[in-house]
Amino acid sequence: AQSVTQLDSQVPVFEEAPVELRCNYSSSVSVYLFWYVQYPNQGLQLLLKYLSGSTLVESIDGFEAEFNKSQTSFHLRKPSVHISDTAEYFCAVTPDSGGYNKLIFGAGTRLAVHP
Amino acid sequence: GAVVSQHPSRVICKSGTSVKIECRSLDFQATTMFWYRQFPKQSLMLMATSNEGSKATYEQGVEKDKFLINHASLTLSTLTVTSAHPEDSSFYICSAERRDSYEQYFGPGTRLTVT
Repeated sequence: AQSVTQLDSQVPVFEEAPVELRCNYSSSVSVYLFWYVQYPNQGLQLLLKYLSGSTLVESIDGFEAEFNKSQTSFHLRKPSVHISDTAEYFCAVTPDSGGYNKLIFGAGTRLAVHP
Repeated sequence: GAVVSQHPSRVICKSGTSVKIECRSLDFQATTMFWYRQFPKQSLMLMATSNEGSKATYEQGVEKDKFLINHASLTLSTLTVTSAHPEDSSFYICSAERRDSYEQYFGPGTRLTVT
């Protein structure tokens, strides 16, 4: 079985400051890793994913995450945040076993960007 | 591409009535669709997995007679909350997995309020 731990339930940060949202996972098999963003009263949008290859993955709006197998982590970072980045961020994993699989979500981290 | 819609976006119903929520993949075929429930300020909890043309697989603790799922085509799945009660009030989100990838695409969610 897999589990995901997001260590911070809330992260307040000032605009233009860097931010890191932490995600650790537990799994006995290889996994795919995802970060999703949820704006108020909306569904989830995929931010970035790691399936294979380079351990550093980037999104089009400046976020990046690095897969660290030894530390079983997939932390999300952004060097300079905007007010519009205020949202809930979910880390998720699914086993790398082919076919369809359940996404296992972390509890979420609320990023609050202040002016 | 990869757009998933849900209808309705919001619904208010009286206790004891039934409500149907539709989930459609608009521009791709989805062999598998997932239904999640999200309570305020909490993560998504998988309720059930549905495959086109077969019975849904429910997660432990989810009443299959209360939450009826039908996946009649490769682009449509429905969730019917039968005999709804106030404790069923929640945000229901569906996702659809493309036939050719491991990614899930999420709908915008349906806010159900039972009075």
